[in-house]
Amino acid sequence: QSALTQPASVSGSPGQSITISCTGTSSDIGSYNLVSWYQQHPGKAPKLMIDEVDKRPSGVSNRFSGSKSGNTASLTISGLQAEDEADYYCCSYAGSPTFVVFGGGTKLTVL
Amino acid sequence: EVQLVESGGGLVQPGRSLRLSCTVSGLTFGDYAISWVRQAPGKGLEWVGFIRSKAYGGTTEYAASVKDRFTISRDDSKSIAYLQMNSLKTEDTAVYYCTRGGRWPDYWGQGTLVTVSS
Repeated sequence: QSALTQPASVSGSPGQSITISCTGTSSDIGSYNLVSWYQQHPGKAPKLMIDEVDKRPSGVSNRFSGSKSGNTASLTISGLQAEDEADYYCCSYAGSPTFVVFGGGTKLTVL
Repeated sequence: EVQLVESGGGLVQPGRSLRLSCTVSGLTFGDYAISWVRQAPGKGLEWVGFIRSKAYGGTTEYAASVKDRFTISRDDSKSIAYLQMNSLKTEDTAVYYCTRGGRWPDYWGQGTLVTVSS
């Protein structure tokens, strides 16, 4: 069982928006603004899409955005495109003794 | 361009040891923490551990599942990080990624597959 809880799957049609939730606890997401999100296509390494809750690294489309409220973080993808179909993982810093925790992953299907 | 390249994976019997290497280029290696993250076949990502930069003591932290069996080290002169894995178990079978960063990984290598089986 993963430390952070994500829905197993979400889906949307091209052009639509979707949101993936990531629920943790007061020891991880609730305590630190150090939530990151990763996109992983089959057979590929994960790619950082959002860090520090809502910051987009250089080169990441502005269709991707992040937010946090309490112990839950969210990733929103607007204007869905076929290439967005992938697995998405959230991650949070959790301090000692756990340090870093990942969510179980969410499979995004673009219909 | 930042690049991380893992090597050393392969098939190993339960109870044996294996050492993975992570060769880094395109950045000042000594300035950054290096983490290891693994992914079992068909499963999600699991944090393994990280080593801080020398500026932060070069100390290490590990997930409970690997503590006392795995050791992360670094050679800043060669820009290489290592993951020494001892007393391997079948449940350690996974693709192992090295990544830049401690509190959150940003750059990732392509991964190396470790299969623990008799």
